[in-house]
Amino acid sequence: GAVVSQHPSRVICKSGTSVKIECRSLDFQATTMFWYRQFPKQSLMLMATSNEGSKATYEQGVEKDKFLINHASLTLSTLTVTSAHPEDSSFYICSARLRLAGSYNEQFFGPGTRLTVL
Amino acid sequence: LAKTTQPISMDSYEGQEVNITCSHNNIATNDYITWYQQFPSQGPRFIIQGYKTKVTNEVASLFIPADRKSSTLSLPRVSLSDTAVYYCLVHFYNQGGKLIFGQGTELSVKP
Repeated sequence: GAVVSQHPSRVICKSGTSVKIECRSLDFQATTMFWYRQFPKQSLMLMATSNEGSKATYEQGVEKDKFLINHASLTLSTLTVTSAHPEDSSFYICSARLRLAGSYNEQFFGPGTRLTVL
Repeated sequence: LAKTTQPISMDSYEGQEVNITCSHNNIATNDYITWYQQFPSQGPRFIIQGYKTKVTNEVASLFIPADRKSSTLSLPRVSLSDTAVYYCLVHFYNQGGKLIFGQGTELSVKP
């Protein structure tokens, strides 16, 4: 299947700093990428939908000024957690949608990024 | 988006067949059913997808009755490495692409 990578896999930062997480589709072009957050022992929560060349669409309750999403190319989307606080500590996962003509738009997930804010 | 209900947890032993059932009473005509597997600290992995009747691949089978209000993921002869959380998702085929995850089923396979 198609491969999606995330970088970094793990990051520890001080409270008040900003952290950027990259999501790349390695062997296919993804017009749409999705960002999820997952707290321990909980399910994945969709944060936003990222479309190449346009503004991201955020889910209800997700602060767009705090979680900045940029989808500058067909293979790269970035999530920047601005002024991070301990409550932002979580596992962030991206997915990229593979779109083939006449077929199902399957999503492929990245390995996730563990963010710890001290 | 159709809401799904799954058991929170299940236990099994190596070599057994495991069946996880998901309820999706308000599934729409254009909805498909997809199952994902997630190991701790990893992203979800696609297992199987179906619309009706039965679908089988190299790792699992998916049974969907005629009314499509539920579906059952069947894992034949599980091993310890199948210990994971399994998510059932219902979503539009070839549209939007937004996936909403439910609580999932935590499967524990014991020796």
